[in-house]
Amino acid sequence: NAGVTQTPKFQVLKTGQSMTLQCAQDMNHEYMSWYRQDPGMGLRLIHYSVGAGITDQGEVPNGYNVSRSTTEDFPLRLLSAAPSQTSVYFCATSYRGPNTEAFFGQGTRLTVV
Amino acid sequence: AQSVSQHNHHVILSEAASLELGCNYSYGGTVNLFWYVQYPGQHLQLLLKYFSGDPLVKGIKGFEAEFIKSKFSFNLRKPSVQWSDTAEYFCAVNEGSSASKIIFGSGTRLSIRP
Repeated sequence: NAGVTQTPKFQVLKTGQSMTLQCAQDMNHEYMSWYRQDPGMGLRLIHYSVGAGITDQGEVPNGYNVSRSTTEDFPLRLLSAAPSQTSVYFCATSYRGPNTEAFFGQGTRLTVV
Repeated sequence: AQSVSQHNHHVILSEAASLELGCNYSYGGTVNLFWYVQYPGQHLQLLLKYFSGDPLVKGIKGFEAEFIKSKFSFNLRKPSVQWSDTAEYFCAVNEGSSASKIIFGSGTRLSIRP
């Protein structure tokens, strides 16, 4: 039982490159989300999904795409990386019902040069 | 829209001192409230949570928090901190009626002097 698995753990990109951050969970959670963590700003929600085939934007969605084709996976795509996207990215999952808590992956540290 | 305010950005204490970290939220409906902790280089872990019932909730490692609905507050407390409590602490809220996006505060960095 791995919980929430994020890959890669570290990544360096050049400006303009694209990449996909992977998030996989084996807890059968319907709800999945992506956050970015920046110093002094806490965690800001990028995109989230309440189930397969359903996604929605969070607070800071620009420059990121998501899709949810299965319950288990929720990849985050950077279409054209910019230095402002240098951050630590966390994937979180939870059950869809009320009174649930979020479980976090280990994070991906992304640097865009 | 929901928001969470943590007024203390960096708190420095000596070991054995008492701790209180402030958290205020803005949302008029039923809420779930959380405190998460992030130790250096690690991911977020749940410290404690409030869904309903007793407004004083106890979490792991001797932490507790009190939900005061009239003040929209959910302050975190610990009577005697240890060096190992050095970490960043995040208050978070989501709507209580169904699982929804969790909104985080900006975090409070806690440094404990040995």
